[in-house]
Amino acid sequence: RKEVEQDPGPFNVPEGATVAFNCTYSNSASQSFFWYRQDCRKEPKLLMSVYSSGNEDGRFTAQLNRASQYISLLIRDSKLSDSATYLCVVKPGGGNKLTFGTGTQLKVEL
Amino acid sequence: DGGITQSPKYLFRKEGQNVTLSCEQNLNHDAMYWYRQDPGQGLRLIYYSQIVNDFQKGDIAEGYSVSREKKESFPLTVTSAQKNPTAFYLCASSIDLWGTDYNEQFFGPGTRLTVL
Repeated sequence: RKEVEQDPGPFNVPEGATVAFNCTYSNSASQSFFWYRQDCRKEPKLLMSVYSSGNEDGRFTAQLNRASQYISLLIRDSKLSDSATYLCVVKPGGGNKLTFGTGTQLKVEL
Repeated sequence: DGGITQSPKYLFRKEGQNVTLSCEQNLNHDAMYWYRQDPGQGLRLIYYSQIVNDFQKGDIAEGYSVSREKKESFPLTVTSAQKNPTAFYLCASSIDLWGTDYNEQFFGPGTRLTVL
């Protein structure tokens, strides 16, 4: 089983739609979780950290389910500019390297 | 502006040649990293450095070498021993090693290396 697994997509959605991605992780000791956004042929950029209680930033909501070992990203009212690949990133506690998922591709269409 | 710069953006190399990728940061970060990204795969860690004059192998260090003579610079050499060097190479930095729980790694714009 991969340490971090994501559905590669692509998710093709109309503008204005709500879309959700899940990411599962295998290490139950994982402590920190992030969603990064990567545009085509560009570097990843932090979209949001994922807090235990869940957190929201504008149209984006991230949630953590430790019992089932997954994190989710919900995007409401999708914009064309949301088209990108979304990388799930997991960090075990105790100071250890980040593990990156392969990413989920989102395409928002008119 | 603070950030990470990588050069060149695109690099073509003949098989059998060594090539060095540049990475510079002015964020005053202690930790720096090199990753490789291939289609359909997550980022894989090549080397990392916690502090000047210290660096450690990551998951896929074979065929690569690094140096960390200055805090702001962490160049990566792709040697002829690297069997499949064609990839997108990303340099990153963070305040301290791996970043604290909610501190991120910042990435440079990347270098796309193609071996002909």
